[in-house]
Amino acid sequence: GAGVSQTPSNKVTEKGKYVELRCDPISGHTALYWYRQSLGQGPEFLIYFQGTGAADDSGLPNDRFFAVRPEGSVSTLKIQRTERGDSAVYLCASSFRQGGTSTQYFGPGTRLTVL
Amino acid sequence: AQSVSQHNHHVILSEAASLELGCNYSYGGTVNLFWYVQYPGQHLQLLLKYFSGDPLVKGIKGFEAEFIKSKFSFNLRKPSVQWSDTAEYFCAVTGHNNAGNMLTFGGGTRLMVKP
Repeated sequence: GAGVSQTPSNKVTEKGKYVELRCDPISGHTALYWYRQSLGQGPEFLIYFQGTGAADDSGLPNDRFFAVRPEGSVSTLKIQRTERGDSAVYLCASSFRQGGTSTQYFGPGTRLTVL
Repeated sequence: AQSVSQHNHHVILSEAASLELGCNYSYGGTVNLFWYVQYPGQHLQLLLKYFSGDPLVKGIKGFEAEFIKSKFSFNLRKPSVQWSDTAEYFCAVTGHNNAGNMLTFGGGTRLMVKP
């Protein structure tokens, strides 16, 4: 079956602009995660959804970052007033259920470059 | 807070050499442990995982990892590497009582296998 998909694969924007990054999880997966991977580092957790609600957004760096999942499937990560330090690969992952022995499956990521 | 350390940032081996990549974690409870691999130009893929039971876990492509609770370690091994194992390897951990199952990743180890 289809894996996690993310669009766009690359996004170049200017400092101060607004961007939206989309994630389409594996069909039937109720849990959805966003991570950010800066150059030379491992992925870092941003936010987690169980169904439509953001169950944990403790990883969001500041209030310029926001994410939604209105119908419990596709999710959009929104970044306002982008800064050069936001440049990174944004990864989405989904799993069949939360906690316990669930395994997260990752998408290809969106490479964001803020000029 | 949990953390993961991967002490080897870059490893260069010749084909048929044996591989061991170190992973140590810091967490005050029972953990789930993962190794993910990212081949050049591809997305993160699960290599193997440990939830409970036999501490020696076998994964895909001949990889294995051993959970040593007393050392807080989950080192990845392969007896004989191939050129196609060239990739970046990430160790990750989540706690059993972490309802959201958010992963904490190490910084990654970039492996280059010379033909």
